[in-house]
Amino acid sequence: DAGVTQSPTHLIKTRGQQVTLRCSPKSGHDTVSWYQQALGQGPQFIFQYYEEEERQRGNFPDRFSGHQFPNYSSELNVNALLLGDSALYLCASTTGGRETQYFGPGTRLLVL
Amino acid sequence: AQSVTQPDIHITVSEGASLELRCNYSYGATPYLFWYVQSPGQGLQLLLKYFSGDTLVQGIKGFEAEFKRSQSSFNLRKPSVHWSDAAEYFCAVGPTGGGNKLTFGTGTQLKVEL
Repeated sequence: DAGVTQSPTHLIKTRGQQVTLRCSPKSGHDTVSWYQQALGQGPQFIFQYYEEEERQRGNFPDRFSGHQFPNYSSELNVNALLLGDSALYLCASTTGGRETQYFGPGTRLLVL
Repeated sequence: AQSVTQPDIHITVSEGASLELRCNYSYGATPYLFWYVQSPGQGLQLLLKYFSGDTLVQGIKGFEAEFKRSQSSFNLRKPSVHWSDAAEYFCAVGPTGGGNKLTFGTGTQLKVEL
């Protein structure tokens, strides 16, 4: 049973560029959440997708957007990259609203 | 707004010694509580969770945690630490009203001396 997978594992971009990160949820899961983990910090909630719609959003600017596909996989897009966007981006999947979230290995983004 | 405090940034213990990692939360009701572990370069692995019922919960790898409502705490314990337990540990809270937004603490880095 495959767990949560994310691609790519590492990414280097320059300021002002745009980036797309991808996530495939654990088998049987239909809800995907994205978190940003800056160096030395705990993960911070970006947003959650369910039924192809954004259901909840954390305190992140509109430069952060996402999408969920009919097969429940998800993308995180970040426009106009800033140096401060450098972080580990984690995807988590679950079913329903009160179940445990399972995390993927993350995508490490470096913005130069 | 909900928040989580992990007062210990770094902890060093000897292999075989006992371990307690502290977690305090701020929330209007009884939240869902979690402990996750993160090894270098890895994602988060769930150690244990508390939703309701028995306040002492058992998890994987010999870890346990106790929910104390009066102290707003959910401390993680292990009676005998192994060198492989060296990692970063995160406490998190989730809303009982539904939804999956987890709020994490800043983490405790555990070092195990052989």
